[in-house]
Amino acid sequence: KNQVEQSPQSLIILEGKNCTLQCNYTVSPFSNLRWYKQDTGRGPVSLTIMTFSENTKSNGRYTATLDADTKQSSLHITASQLSDSASYICVVSRSNDYKLSFGAGTTVTVRA
Amino acid sequence: NAGVTQTPKFRVLKTGQSMTLLCAQDMNHEYMYWYRQDPGMGLRLIHYSVGEGTTAKGEVPDGYNVSRLKKQNFLLGLESAAPSQTSVYFCASSPGGVLKLYNEQFFGPGTRLTVL
Repeated sequence: KNQVEQSPQSLIILEGKNCTLQCNYTVSPFSNLRWYKQDTGRGPVSLTIMTFSENTKSNGRYTATLDADTKQSSLHITASQLSDSASYICVVSRSNDYKLSFGAGTTVTVRA
Repeated sequence: NAGVTQTPKFRVLKTGQSMTLLCAQDMNHEYMYWYRQDPGMGLRLIHYSVGEGTTAKGEVPDGYNVSRLKKQNFLLGLESAAPSQTSVYFCASSPGGVLKLYNEQFFGPGTRLTVL
C-alpha cells in the first residue's frame, strides 16, 4: 500500500484560475514533505519543502500547506499559467533514513 | 554546470538482452539513486549509493545491478531484460552529510526503456 496518496489523479483548469492539489500520507516517523513539479519528458524538480514545524511555504504562485497532525498537505496554484501544465508529486521523507516515499502525482493541464 | 545527466535518453531492447544506463553528476554529491517510474505509480527506488564504492538495494532491486566506481557516476545494469522492466528510469543525486535528511534530490531527465 502506497504510503503517500494524492488526489485528484488529474485535473484541467483554465488559464488564470486557481487550483488545489491534495496529499495524504502515512509515512512515519516524519521528517519533511516536498512538492516536486515534473514537466513532460523531464525529471522532477523541487518546489517546496516543509518540516514538522512549518505549516505553510510559498514559492511564487505555488503555496504548500502542511497539517502534521492529520498528515495532510496541499499545493495551491494561484493564477495558473500554461507553463504550470505538469505532474505534481508529493514526496515524504522519514526521519530515520534518507529514503523517500513518492505519491503517484497529480497531472495538471492548463488550457488557454 | 550540467547537473545530473543520463545516457541514453531512449532504448529499445529485446527480451534477454543486456544494457547499462549511465548517470553522471557534476555537483560533487555523495548520494546517488536509481528510480523507475511507471504509469499510475510513484517513483520506486531500485538501488542507491551513499558514496563511491558503495551500493545498496532499494525497494525493487530484482533484475538490476549497479556500480559506483567513481563518485560522479552511477551505472544501472540489466543483465537479461524482461518486458516487466519497460519503464522510465530516473537517476538522482543529493549532497548527503549531516543534513542528509533534508537534502533535496536532483533528478536527471530520464531514460525511456522499452523491452519487447
